[in-house]
Amino acid sequence: AQTVTQSQPEMSVQEAETVTLSCTYDTSESNYYLFWYKQPPSRQMILVIRQEAYKQQNATENRFSVNFQKAAKSFSLKISDSQLGDTAMYFCAFMTLVSGAGSYQLTFGKGTKLSVIP
Amino acid sequence: DAGVIQSPRHEVTEMGQEVTLRCKPISGHDYLFWYRQTMMRGLELLIYFNNNVPIDDSGMPEDRFSAKMPNASFSTLKIQPSEPRDSAVYFCASSERLGDRGQNEQFFGPGTRLTVL
Repeated sequence: AQTVTQSQPEMSVQEAETVTLSCTYDTSESNYYLFWYKQPPSRQMILVIRQEAYKQQNATENRFSVNFQKAAKSFSLKISDSQLGDTAMYFCAFMTLVSGAGSYQLTFGKGTKLSVIP
Repeated sequence: DAGVIQSPRHEVTEMGQEVTLRCKPISGHDYLFWYRQTMMRGLELLIYFNNNVPIDDSGMPEDRFSAKMPNASFSTLKIQPSEPRDSAVYFCASSERLGDRGQNEQFFGPGTRLTVL
């Protein structure tokens, strides 16, 4: 079974600073996908960034970037120039396709609550 | 596109009552997922459908929970009878496709906050 671990239940960062959220996972699969979702107080789950395991290049989306270390099974999220609107819960998610079964498995971490301080 | 639509946004009911949550996925998406989110257990996948067919319901907690997808644009999650421990936020999500080279990300609805007294 896949597991996703977010070891930081809560974090805070000063506005305009940079913060890194950690995520590790455990799997025996070689082909999989990783996601970071953001859940602001409005409760809406919003995709922040995704990474395909077969791609060596780290994904970036504007101020958001990942450090994907496949051998270490690590997938951290870096937020640059933090803004007040970044205050939210951040969930790391891992997805793998079950070969031959036509199905997939998606596992979410417990989340990291990020507070951006003015 | 309006995104994934869920109704109601809030539901308060008494123990023993039947509760029905509704979801309209994004048009053209082949996959639909139901999740439950609680403080204790985080985000849990309950069931998902592919082309209206349930593929994996192993996350459904017990027989009191049932889900249907009668057509590509509508799904329901029913709890009968409801219990206080069912109180949670229930999310519906949809995905265009899944595959080795697919986009794979899921688009979530706003959730339904269920409170069972």
